[in-house]
Amino acid sequence: AQSVTQLGSHVSVSEGALVLLRCNYSSSVPPYLFWYVQYPNQGLQLLLKYTSAATLVKGINGFEAEFKKSETSFHLTKPSAHMSDAAEYFCAVSLHGGSQGNLIFGKGTKLSVKP
Amino acid sequence: NAGVTQTPKFQVLKTGQSMTLQCAQDMNHNSMYWYRQDPGMGLRLIYYSASEGTTDKGEVPNGYNVSRLNKREFSLRLESAAPSQTSVYFCASTGHTYEQYFGPGTRLTVT
Repeated sequence: AQSVTQLGSHVSVSEGALVLLRCNYSSSVPPYLFWYVQYPNQGLQLLLKYTSAATLVKGINGFEAEFKKSETSFHLTKPSAHMSDAAEYFCAVSLHGGSQGNLIFGKGTKLSVKP
Repeated sequence: NAGVTQTPKFQVLKTGQSMTLQCAQDMNHNSMYWYRQDPGMGLRLIYYSASEGTTDKGEVPNGYNVSRLNKREFSLRLESAAPSQTSVYFCASTGHTYEQYFGPGTRLTVT
């Protein structure tokens, strides 16, 4: 069965520092993986997705993630944090692999950015 | 393009009352979903509809019913609300590009 583990429910970084949010998955089929961002009192917005093409995926707002099959990981990074990056981030894996659409979400990581 | 819309934005119910949450999408997507979000729990799937005319249970379906009225609309009904159903509810849809598009959410409080 597919599952997602996000390490760290809260991460705090200083403005300008590297952002690293960790996500590990388990999947019995080749996974499709996603990162979503949720700003306070809003819905979820797609940051980036991995669908078995390039293993390094670039997303919006300067974020990127690397699919590492050997480590079953899909960590999210951004070289330099901005105050506007403060939000909650969710990693998700496609339940059936591919196009059937059902997603399993991690519990989320809340990112704080200190001035 | 409005994307995914949800009504109402906020609702307060008393225990035992019923209500229907409405969701509509204008992206011609086949699949639609209802999630609930609780602190520290991430998003949990309540029901989904892979195509018009079909619905299936997700992880936490108890206490809920759904209707896929047509391709655009997917409603979630609470027949007899309980305090445990206090949550934020999100509707989402997906097409052939695999990612899900989310609505702005409904904040429901059951007292």
